Amino acid sequence: AQRVTQPEKLLSVFKGAPVELKCNYSYSGSPELFWYVQYSRQRLQLLLRHISRESIKGFTADLNKGETSFHLKKPFAQEEDSAMYYCALSGAGYQKVTFGIGTKLQVIP
Amino acid sequence: EAGVAQSPRYKIIEKRQSVAFWCNPISGHATLYWYQQILGQGPKLLIQFQNNGVVDDSQLPKDRFSAERLKGVDSTLKIQPAKLEDSAVYLCASSLDRPPTDTQYFGPGTRLTVL
Repeated sequence: AQRVTQPEKLLSVFKGAPVELKCNYSYSGSPELFWYVQYSRQRLQLLLRHISRESIKGFTADLNKGETSFHLKKPFAQEEDSAMYYCALSGAGYQKVTFGIGTKLQVIP
Repeated sequence: EAGVAQSPRYKIIEKRQSVAFWCNPISGHATLYWYQQILGQGPKLLIQFQNNGVVDDSQLPKDRFSAERLKGVDSTLKIQPAKLEDSAVYLCASSLDRPPTDTQYFGPGTRLTVL
């Protein structure tokens, strides 16, 4: 069984402060991890995936297989980062994507 | 490119009634997904189609939910009869081909309220 845990439902930070959204997973095989974001009144969209090793909008995430974590980080939060963030997990091939419950990030001006 | 289209955007029904949702994926996308998102939770996959074949429907309550994807394009999700616990946002998504490597593009969702 695959499971994604996002321990914080709400994370409030001040503008310019560092952000870390936590994600832990449970999966017996080799996982593929993603972060999705939903801005207010917009559709759910992919932010980044671990296999791309990319930085999107200043966000990065590193897969730590030892700690089974895929935390999302940004050194300096911006007001436009306020949104709902979902961590998601899948296996290779035609595997379903399992989402966490999401963390609401609130950036205080 | 045009995004994933869903209709209706909102639906209110009474329990034991039937309801149907429609999804039009991005042109050329072979894979189509239906998710259920209950308030305060993440999206949960109900069914996944590859062209017009079902890849995964392990979490679809088959006694009341059904879905089809005719001609490998549009899809319809039906609930019959609805229960109070079916109140949720139903999201449709599509991807070019092989999940999860190919990005999923989500529609705006249909918000269902069952009274």
